[in-house]
Amino acid sequence: AQSVAQPEDQVNVAEGNPLTVKCTYSVSGNPYLFWYVQYPNRGLQFLLKYITGDNLVKGSYGFEAEFNKSQTSFHLKKPSALVSDSALYFCAVRDNSGNTPLVFGKGTRLSVIA
Amino acid sequence: GAVVSQHPSWVICKSGTSVKIECRSLDFQATTMFWYRQFPKQSLMLMATSNEGSKATYEQGVEKDKFLINHASLTLSTLTVTSAHPEDSSFYICSARAESSYNSPLHFGNGTRLTVT
Repeated sequence: AQSVAQPEDQVNVAEGNPLTVKCTYSVSGNPYLFWYVQYPNRGLQFLLKYITGDNLVKGSYGFEAEFNKSQTSFHLKKPSALVSDSALYFCAVRDNSGNTPLVFGKGTRLSVIA
Repeated sequence: GAVVSQHPSWVICKSGTSVKIECRSLDFQATTMFWYRQFPKQSLMLMATSNEGSKATYEQGVEKDKFLINHASLTLSTLTVTSAHPEDSSFYICSARAESSYNSPLHFGNGTRLTVT
């Protein structure tokens, strides 16, 4: 079975500081990994994905994530946080064995303080 | 590109009535759409996979007679909450892939907040 863990419910960062939102996963095969962002009362917006290749993936709005197979992690990072980055972030995974559903983590609320 | 439109964005209904939520892919065709439910401060729970021209596939624990899904065209899927009760109040979100590849990202509608009084 697939699963995703986002160990932090809330992450607080000062504007201009680097941010990290943690994600670990469990799948039976090779993972397809995704990060999404959700603003209040809105659907989810795709940020970036890892399918194969370079472990460092760059995405929208200056975000990046690093796939670490040995630690089964896919942490989301940004070198310099903006107040507008404050939102709910979801990590998601599915395996590559077929049309299995995308499984989401419980989400991490990021607050960037000016 | 790859816009998913969901309507209505919010709805209030009385207990016992039915509510229909529409999900449209505006600039691509979607043979498959996904319906999620999100509770406050919780993650998304996949309710069902909507397949164009065939029956939807429901996740375990989701009542198919309660949550009717119709996917009559390549750009429209509807979710009808029948005989709604206050416990059905939630945020419902649809999504679809713009590409057929299983590793392509999902594109989400803006969600529908349902409140049953």
